[in-house]
Amino acid sequence: DIQMTQSPSSLSASVGDRVTITCRASQGIRNDLAWYQQKPGKAPKTLIYAISTLQSGVPSRFSGSGSGTEFTLTISSLQPEDFATYYCLQHTAYPWTFGQGTKVEIK
Amino acid sequence: QVQLVESGGGVVQPGRSLRLSCAASGFIFSSYSMHWVRQAPGKGLEWVAVIWNDGSNKLYADSVKGRFTISRDDSKNTLYLQMNSLRAEDTSIYYCARDNVVRAIPLDYWGQGTLVTVTS
Repeated sequence: DIQMTQSPSSLSASVGDRVTITCRASQGIRNDLAWYQQKPGKAPKTLIYAISTLQSGVPSRFSGSGSGTEFTLTISSLQPEDFATYYCLQHTAYPWTFGQGTKVEIK
Repeated sequence: QVQLVESGGGVVQPGRSLRLSCAASGFIFSSYSMHWVRQAPGKGLEWVAVIWNDGSNKLYADSVKGRFTISRDDSKNTLYLQMNSLRAEDTSIYYCARDNVVRAIPLDYWGQGTLVTVTS
């Protein structure tokens, strides 16, 4: 199975901060990498797919980058509605695997 | 608009069975592969199972293989997850999600989830 190691597991940040979350795959996953945002009590929401393509309706302050085995989600200027938990997902091979999640909290 | 609505969750004793349903609307259900993903209380997301759009292939996480069965009824626009021999560690919110293979967007729409609690 492909392991997805996500870091950090949590972070505290202020509104306006730049935030970076990393996912490392245990082997190459081409561009089969997506990012999801989940707020408490809600289903996950797709933010980014194919490493860097924003899902329709997602603000441009979110961006994704990376290649091979190292991938990054960046929020350029954190907004109050961005406080949530973020997950990466590899879908290059079954079983699909998620990162452990990064909880973004208010400092 | 795309809607996925899960049902069938509840409290069940270890070793018993439960069947979850996911009613789909707002898109051509038979054209999409569908997944189940679960989330234990306070934990992360775990992929559970997938069924191809034509039902020709079904794949499972090792943790549920041999106990869970994914199926679909395209005439009813409904996805199912039959869960047998349930264990305490199966306690989770179960989400169904659509796989947009054409646009290469995995799990582009999710349902609201249904809670399964396995306890004696």
